[in-house]
Amino acid sequence: QKEVEQNSGPLSVPEGAIASLNCTYSDRGSQSFFWYRQYSGKSPELIMFIYSNGDKEDGRFTAQLNKASQYVSLLIRDSQPSDSATYLCAALSGGGADGLTFGKGTHLIIQP
Amino acid sequence: EADIYQTPRYLVIGTGKKITLECSQTMGHDKMYWYQQDPGMELHLIHYSYGVNSTEKGDLSSESTVSRIRTEHFPLTLESARPSHTSQYLCATEGGNSEAFFGQGTRLTVV
Repeated sequence: QKEVEQNSGPLSVPEGAIASLNCTYSDRGSQSFFWYRQYSGKSPELIMFIYSNGDKEDGRFTAQLNKASQYVSLLIRDSQPSDSATYLCAALSGGGADGLTFGKGTHLIIQP
Repeated sequence: EADIYQTPRYLVIGTGKKITLECSQTMGHDKMYWYQQDPGMELHLIHYSYGVNSTEKGDLSSESTVSRIRTEHFPLTLESARPSHTSQYLCATEGGNSEAFFGQGTRLTVV
């Protein structure tokens, strides 16, 4: 059973601070990992993806992957109130035939 | 501009009615998906397609059916709507890096 686990939150972070979102996955064969942002009542939007161990940066966002620990994280620097949303972690398993496995999401609140 | 279109955005319908949720894409992607998501809850995969004439059931059992006659079009049909079908339905395509691109969703309410 492929699983992606996230703390549901809410995670409350002051404006301007770094928000750290974490995700673990059960399938060691997972190849690629994705972070999505979902505002209430809207559809998920892709933030970034990562498939190699280490860090990947895109603007204020940094994704981190540790395959040995089966751990993925997303850092948001200089957090803004507009970053308040639910963040979904997703994994593509080795077969990838039936698409991504999504976590339940972490609700992030940026306090002005 | 390449995109994914879902219609209608909102639908309120009576129990027992047949409905079709439309999903069209101009991204040229072969793989397409339907997810179901209740408010504040996780995404559940209900159907997917590898391409024309390919349809598969997802992890969550669903009374809906899908068809894929054209690459661009992946409609979802409920033959007889019930209040338990009230949810948000999200259509998605798969990009070259296996990322999912989502449409704006259809919020269905069955009364």
